[in-house]
Amino acid sequence: AQKVTQAQTEISVVEKEDVTLDCVYETRDTTYYLFWYKQPPSGELVFLIRRNSFDEQNEISGRYSWNFQKSTSSFNFTITASQVVDSAVYFCALSEATSGTYKYIFGTGTRLKVLA
Amino acid sequence: DSGVTQTPKHLITATGQRVTLRCSPRSGDLSVYWYQQSLDQGLQFLIQYYNGEERAKGNILERFSAQQFPDLHSELNLSSLELGDSALYFCASTHSGRALGSTDTQYFGPGTRLTVL
Repeated sequence: AQKVTQAQTEISVVEKEDVTLDCVYETRDTTYYLFWYKQPPSGELVFLIRRNSFDEQNEISGRYSWNFQKSTSSFNFTITASQVVDSAVYFCALSEATSGTYKYIFGTGTRLKVLA
Repeated sequence: DSGVTQTPKHLITATGQRVTLRCSPRSGDLSVYWYQQSLDQGLQFLIQYYNGEERAKGNILERFSAQQFPDLHSELNLSSLELGDSALYFCASTHSGRALGSTDTQYFGPGTRLTVL
């Protein structure tokens, strides 16, 4: 069955600390896609990254980095030198297509609070 | 500003009614995605349209339907509304039409908050 687990409901860090948000997924498909989204207190959704199952290269974008490990079915997200503006709820998601039917599952989100 | 517009921002209606939510994608984007965010169900993908055609379908109820028009704006129709349909409905757009697997960044609109009383 398809599943996305974000076990950390809420994390609080002090500004400039590094923080890692965990995402563990379950799927039977060999072709799938993983996503991260940010939802700041203002409520809008912001797309951060998409990864396909064949690309295990880690990705870095400024202070953000993602570690994709198929061996542990994880797609973790690290923010380096966190800032107050990083305070938001972060969602991990998994999509796969089985016989033409798409399934797209979001995790329950991790609320990150960065304290000044 | 993402360039994606959604109207209305807020909608309050009664059970059993029908409403239409509208989304205009960024200029040049051909795909529109609809998502629902509720307290009970969390975030859910509903449906994707590309250049007028349905491309991917998620957890969209039969009471809900969507379409994308020739000018690429999209409408999400919700009928026989129930209390549990109260949620924030987001749309997003990308240039590509690849079903959910596009490498394009998804740009989200501000959402429509639907309250069913």
